[in-house]
Amino acid sequence: KNEVEQSPQNLTAQEGEFITINCSYSVGISALHWLQQHPGGGIVSLFMLSSGKKKHGRLIATINIQEKHSSLHITASHPRDSAVYICAFTSYNTDKLIFGTGTRLQVFP
Amino acid sequence: DSGVTQTPKHLITATGQRVTLRCSPRSGDLSVYWYQQSLDQGLQFLIQYYNGEERAKGNILERFSAQQFPDLHSELNLSSLELGDSALYFCASSSLLVQGRLTNYGYTFGSGTRLTVV
Repeated sequence: KNEVEQSPQNLTAQEGEFITINCSYSVGISALHWLQQHPGGGIVSLFMLSSGKKKHGRLIATINIQEKHSSLHITASHPRDSAVYICAFTSYNTDKLIFGTGTRLQVFP
Repeated sequence: DSGVTQTPKHLITATGQRVTLRCSPRSGDLSVYWYQQSLDQGLQFLIQYYNGEERAKGNILERFSAQQFPDLHSELNLSSLELGDSALYFCASSSLLVQGRLTNYGYTFGSGTRLTVV
């Protein structure tokens, strides 16, 4: 079993829809990361969080440490949000990233 | 530009050959990480260097080696290449030393090197 599971694996949405991507992990972590990978391949770090909630523009990330669960929300989705969104974590004894398998999001106009 | 520079962007080489991938971390970052992204395995951690020293090792094959130089740039050497080594190789950097304390503000990824072994 993977230490980090994401759902859904694939997601299609109409422009303007509210989108939620979920991430569950099974070990103690020091931080949870959300990454975005565009079709060209480059990876961008969106959020790093260890508690609560962070917001950047139309993106919101939340984490519930007790439930070992995090969500990434995109409000008013746009076709340019189409990408693979990857959840990853670092644990207490190492700062290497352990990755989920990613959620492929396609937003249609 | 993320601040992490990886070269080359693309590399096509034959089985049995050896290649070197290069990474310059974001200015001020002391840690460099190498990750491999293949279609069947997803993103996997290979190795980490901190300020010139190896700090952590993942599922890195014996045919692969890396080092970090005094100017903090890093190289990943892949030898005796096999078809299965075809993948995207990412470098990321992190960890600033702030007032004597190592602080991780997050990761910055390079744009990757796409290696194709034929």
